[in-house]
Amino acid sequence: GIQVEQSPPDLILQEGANSTLRCNFSDSVNNLQWFHQNPWGQLINLFYIPSGTKQNGRLSATTVATERYSLLYISSSQTTDSGVYFCAVKLDYGGSQGNLIFGKGTKLSVKP
Amino acid sequence: DSGVTQTPKHLITATGQRVTLRCSPRSGDLSVYWYQQSLDQGLQFLIQYYNGEERAKGNILERFSAQQFPDLHSELNLSSLELGDSALYFCASSSSTGEGETQYFGPGTRLLVL
Repeated sequence: GIQVEQSPPDLILQEGANSTLRCNFSDSVNNLQWFHQNPWGQLINLFYIPSGTKQNGRLSATTVATERYSLLYISSSQTTDSGVYFCAVKLDYGGSQGNLIFGKGTKLSVKP
Repeated sequence: DSGVTQTPKHLITATGQRVTLRCSPRSGDLSVYWYQQSLDQGLQFLIQYYNGEERAKGNILERFSAQQFPDLHSELNLSSLELGDSALYFCASSSSTGEGETQYFGPGTRLLVL
């Protein structure tokens, strides 16, 4: 099946630093989403980005579908950015199945 | 707030018992998905319903079952519970069948089996 690999698995930053999280996927997809899971367990939608670039405040994401990767940029990190960031994809040939396949996540800790 | 609601937020039960988790999708969304997040397996897809009909099945155990009702809310039934069923169970919804559209996740139900 499709492989979704995220790197790095763990990241420790000082407040104010910038970071780049990467998601590689092994097959063609028609849906890619980035999520932030906060320390309370909530999964928060960040981006729906099967291709192209989007920005939302200090966060931005880029997906290059032809090269099968996506990047999540976090600028001027804050302690509230701490948590686990997940990339999830849906196969292009998944047919009627709409389910997302998740990577293992990047655990981010932002120190004050 | 994603607009997807799940109840209960927490559930503690004993091995061998049966529980029901409930999910209300966002207004107008026809698809409901159930996912399980456990420490060893990560986030895994269990089952999808679209407008009352089962659409897709993932790694769902035979002891687990689900349904989507005419008002589009969904229930996930877990029976003969084992310690390994302890996990965070998420419900998600999307407006259609899921292709090329955002899935919105509920806050989850944290299940602890003792």
